[in-house]
Amino acid sequence: GAVVSQHPSRVICKSGTSVKIECRSLDFQATTMFWYRQFPKKSLMLMATSNEGSKATYEQGVEKDKFLINHASLTLSTLTVTSAHPEDSSFYICSAGLADYNEQFFGPGTRLTVL
Amino acid sequence: GQNIDQPTEMTATEGAIVQINCTYQTSGFNGLFWYQQHAGEAPTFLSYNVLDGLEEKGRFSSFLSRSKGYSYLLLKELQMKDSASYLCAVMDSNYQLIWGAGTKLIIKP
Repeated sequence: GAVVSQHPSRVICKSGTSVKIECRSLDFQATTMFWYRQFPKKSLMLMATSNEGSKATYEQGVEKDKFLINHASLTLSTLTVTSAHPEDSSFYICSAGLADYNEQFFGPGTRLTVL
Repeated sequence: GQNIDQPTEMTATEGAIVQINCTYQTSGFNGLFWYQQHAGEAPTFLSYNVLDGLEEKGRFSSFLSRSKGYSYLLLKELQMKDSASYLCAVMDSNYQLIWGAGTKLIIKP
């Protein structure tokens, strides 16, 4: 089956620093990648949708200058949390899709802790 | 390796009951999640089980047996709006989510 990886799996950083999270589709080319944030025992909150070679589409309330998304190729998308603050601590999950939401494959997630 | 197994597709009748099974083999266990995903929408959280037993929440219930590596999601009094994909995910010892491929549930009148 389709495999999506994320790196790093866990990161701890100081407040004010930037953190980059990578999402890769390992055995297929993803035309669309999605970035989610998960709060404890809550639903996944869609942050943004990115299509290869074009700007990401951010959901309402998500600061595009704070959460930079780059979808440089059909197998790689990155999320950079800039000037991270403790409230950005969360579990970030990406998914890669072939066509639409019905064919999303989820990554294992990245746990970000900002001190 | 780690894997989650759930049926690809199930069909049920409006008003009936359906049980979606999920079996898992993971490195450690820190809880099992069920999500519902309608076409064109992001997944929504349904349940979280970390201890053995049945958790009931309205028409939906989720059961866990850690010794058997098994969970099920039980949907009662099915409604047409329950037609969706149901995702099972397990958090392993490293707090990584291992996702099942999802079960597409089709509800017929």
